[in-house]
Amino acid sequence: DVKVTQSSRYLVKRTGEKVFLECVQDMDHENMFWYRQDPGLGLRLIYFSYDVKMKEKGDIPEGYSVSREKKERFSLILESASTNQTSMYLCASSSTGTVNYGYTFGSGTRLTVV
Amino acid sequence: AQSVTQLDSQVPVFEEAPVELRCNYSSSVSVYLFWYVQYPNQGLQLLLKYLSGSTLVKGINGFEAEFNKSQTSFHLRKPSVHISDTAEYFCAVTKGNTGKLIFGQGTTLQVKP
Repeated sequence: DVKVTQSSRYLVKRTGEKVFLECVQDMDHENMFWYRQDPGLGLRLIYFSYDVKMKEKGDIPEGYSVSREKKERFSLILESASTNQTSMYLCASSSTGTVNYGYTFGSGTRLTVV
Repeated sequence: AQSVTQLDSQVPVFEEAPVELRCNYSSSVSVYLFWYVQYPNQGLQLLLKYLSGSTLVKGINGFEAEFNKSQTSFHLRKPSVHISDTAEYFCAVTKGNTGKLIFGQGTTLQVKP
């Protein structure tokens, strides 16, 4: 069964900490995405990557960076965590060959910044 | 630019009743449309998609959706819901030919016994 795996389901971090959220997919997908999900706002795209070492900003990149050193792994980095970054973070991947067939999502990481 | 509007933030319904979750989109180009479901404390799972062809699309768990180009709508329906259908549902549209999805705000379906 194909999978997108997010390393943590729940995280609690302190304000100012550097936070790493990890995502790994085993489907050889070219495209990977990071979204944050907040009540009433749906999913908002933070960053995405079309290939190794390639990245593009989404709609709300401020306060975040990403890293994609290997095809299967896409990391989201909060350089200095703040309380307004408390949210559910969802990683997804898709294939360029079937780019319009939708995404496969991970189970999410619920981050609380205190 | 594409956008997606889910017209109801919450839809309460009794078990075995029919339900419709409404979704409207705006786009000047052809689109691909999706419905995803998110059960509590889980990621999103694809329910169904419209790419081309028949405007009535059938998905998993007895759900279906109808693509209406003239009304720019893609409403999700189920003739008889179960308690287990309680979840959040997201409508999404592709952004041009980039493969990037734009999501609606979500609709919480609450099925009551």
